[in-house]
Amino acid sequence: LAKTTQPISMDSYEGQEVNITCSHNNIATNDYITWYQQFPSQGPRFIIQGYKTKVTNEVASLFIPADRKSSTLSLPRVSLSDTAVYYCLVGGSNDYKLSFGAGTTVTVRA
Amino acid sequence: NAGVTQTPKFQVLKTGQSMTLQCAQDMNHEYMSWYRQDPGMGLRLIHYSVGAGITDQGEVPNGYNVSRSTTEDFPLRLLSAAPSQTSVYFCASSYLGTGGFDEQFFGPGTRLTVL
Repeated sequence: LAKTTQPISMDSYEGQEVNITCSHNNIATNDYITWYQQFPSQGPRFIIQGYKTKVTNEVASLFIPADRKSSTLSLPRVSLSDTAVYYCLVGGSNDYKLSFGAGTTVTVRA
Repeated sequence: NAGVTQTPKFQVLKTGQSMTLQCAQDMNHEYMSWYRQDPGMGLRLIHYSVGAGITDQGEVPNGYNVSRSTTEDFPLRLLSAAPSQTSVYFCASSYLGTGGFDEQFFGPGTRLTVL
């Protein structure tokens, strides 16, 4: 499994864009990049998944450069309710032992 | 759909006691897994299953057993509880995608305290 590195914490203010970068230097050809969000006392929730270039949904965007050795989760115009821990995972269809690292704690202030 | 359900929500055990954490899903997912999350840390995989009758160990399997007799249910058994097993336990399920690993759906968690 490709190991991931992401910042421990990030602070932001309401209305700003938050970008969280995840490094995964040894990503394999078949690996996808997936991001989850976790609020306190809840299980993680899927946000977005991508393989290359850019993926966008109603919640976030995921930017993946051509070499795929990193990826950036972009949260547009955050609100207080976006305060959570965000996890970056890398794996393919045969990677059953998915690992959630410590994640990035994003704190949004008024 | 109820999604992924877990029971109980809270449990207090004494050292040496055994118990079973229940997990069920109604989405016909092949993959099910158990994670534990200690305070301020990420989730660590305990055991997983890719279908009925098939289970395997994750990152931290010691002290836990699992079985998968049906697609829907994936119980986690603590054989002899220890204070180090005090944690929040999450069950998750997903389809086994043909490309990337499909979206995992998580249950609400079971908060376990071992005295």
